[in-house]
Amino acid sequence: DAKTTQPPSMDCAEGRAANLPCNHSTISGNEYVYWYRQIHSQGPQYIIHGLKNNETNEMASLIITEDRKSSTLILPHATLRDTAVYYCIVRVPGYSSASKIIFGSGTRLSIRP
Amino acid sequence: DSGVTQTPKHLITATGQRVTLRCSPRSGDLSVYWYQQSLDQGLQFLIQYYNGEERAKGNILERFSAQQFPDLHSELNLSSLELGDSALYFCASSVGGGPGTDTQYFGPGTRLTVL
Repeated sequence: DAKTTQPPSMDCAEGRAANLPCNHSTISGNEYVYWYRQIHSQGPQYIIHGLKNNETNEMASLIITEDRKSSTLILPHATLRDTAVYYCIVRVPGYSSASKIIFGSGTRLSIRP
Repeated sequence: DSGVTQTPKHLITATGQRVTLRCSPRSGDLSVYWYQQSLDQGLQFLIQYYNGEERAKGNILERFSAQQFPDLHSELNLSSLELGDSALYFCASSVGGGPGTDTQYFGPGTRLTVL
């Protein structure tokens, strides 16, 4: 079972920041938070990951609360191409059996013009 | 483009048949993962290989098997196919190892239709 809870759908106006929440209240100390997205039926696309510090890359920012029980993915200037299903995943990095990605239902983000 | 390639893109076959899906990981990646995405089950992890050895198993049926070859490409074999095996099959690869080297990059998928 997925260890995360996400709203099933959200929408955002084009050009605005899209803030996608994720609850992971049972996260353990060695688990990282990963975000992927899937546009239509394409292969999931890696976005960003982090342990406890906030992270930023060219695609997005990841804000993790101090207690690590929740996080928010921020797309700073959403475009129509950001319409996708966004998955928040917690996992232990590496190649052990604990490292497999368990996808939940994700959040379907719709960007409106 | 993630750098992971999968062939074929589409496959249509009949119940009871056997098919082989192929995956070539990104250059330098040692780990290969297989996932199945069906309408009613979502994205499900099947199996992982690291440098030719099986590392983790998920919800993979006994009718399915996989292997990773010395050149690091991987094949997923599906046999005695049933209608319910119709799905998208994704391969992902990663360098392998600890934080910073195990981010998984997904291929475009193979759409399998069993008639």
